[in-house]
Amino acid sequence: TQLLEQSPQFLSIQEGENLTVYCNSSSVFSSLQWYRQEPGEGPVLLVTVVTGGEVKKLKRLTFQFGDARKDSSLHITAAQPGDTGLYLCAGRGTNAGKSTFGDGTTLTVKP
Amino acid sequence: NAGVTQTPKFQVLKTGQSMTLQCAQDMNHNSMYWYRQDPGMGLRLIYYSASEGTTDKGEVPNGYNVSRLNKREFSLRLESAAPSQTSVYFCASSVRGSGNTIYFGEGSWLTVV
Repeated sequence: TQLLEQSPQFLSIQEGENLTVYCNSSSVFSSLQWYRQEPGEGPVLLVTVVTGGEVKKLKRLTFQFGDARKDSSLHITAAQPGDTGLYLCAGRGTNAGKSTFGDGTTLTVKP
Repeated sequence: NAGVTQTPKFQVLKTGQSMTLQCAQDMNHNSMYWYRQDPGMGLRLIYYSASEGTTDKGEVPNGYNVSRLNKREFSLRLESAAPSQTSVYFCASSVRGSGNTIYFGEGSWLTVV
C-alpha cells in the first residue's frame, strides 16, 4: 500500500490569507490528483498532475507536483469562505494500480 | 446529468442485519469503485471493478461483497452488519482506471446499532 500523508490535518484561517497544504509519500506516483469535498457531498476533482515539477494553476489555486513525483502541494492565494472544505490528494502508482487517497486537510476560511 | 447515483442516502441497521447499497452511473465508464469514509481516515477502497464482469478487493474488503451487475451498476452488500461498518459509503466511477478523473456519488450514510 502506498501511503499518502497530508498536512496539516486541520487549517482555520481568515478570509484573504494565503495557505499551503501538502501531500507527501515515500512512493513514486505516475499521477496525482487533488479533490475538494464539501459537507454532504462526494469529492470533486480539481486537478491532475502527471509530470515531475509540473505546476498547474486554477484561478487562485496553484498545484505543484514534486520533481521526484513523490509529493505535491496546493497553494491558495487570498482564501475565501467558499474555499472551505476537505481537500484530498490521491496518487496513482507507477504499476498502473489503483489510486490511494490521503486522509485530507479540512480547511475553514472565516469571513 | 445524473452522473453517479447511489441509494439509499441514509440507513440505520441493527447488528447482524443485511443490506445492499445500489449504485449506477450513466457515463459509460468501465471502472467502478466503492469507498468508505471515516473521520480522520480519508477514503478507503473497499472493492473495485475494472470492467464489467470483474471485481477485485481493495484495502478494506472484509465484511463486504460486491456485484458488477452490468456496465452501469455496481452494488455493495453487507451480509451481517457490524457497528464497525458505521460509515459514509461512496460509489465512484472512472473511464478506465483511477488515473483518470474519478466521479463520486453523493454518499450513503450508514449507521449500525
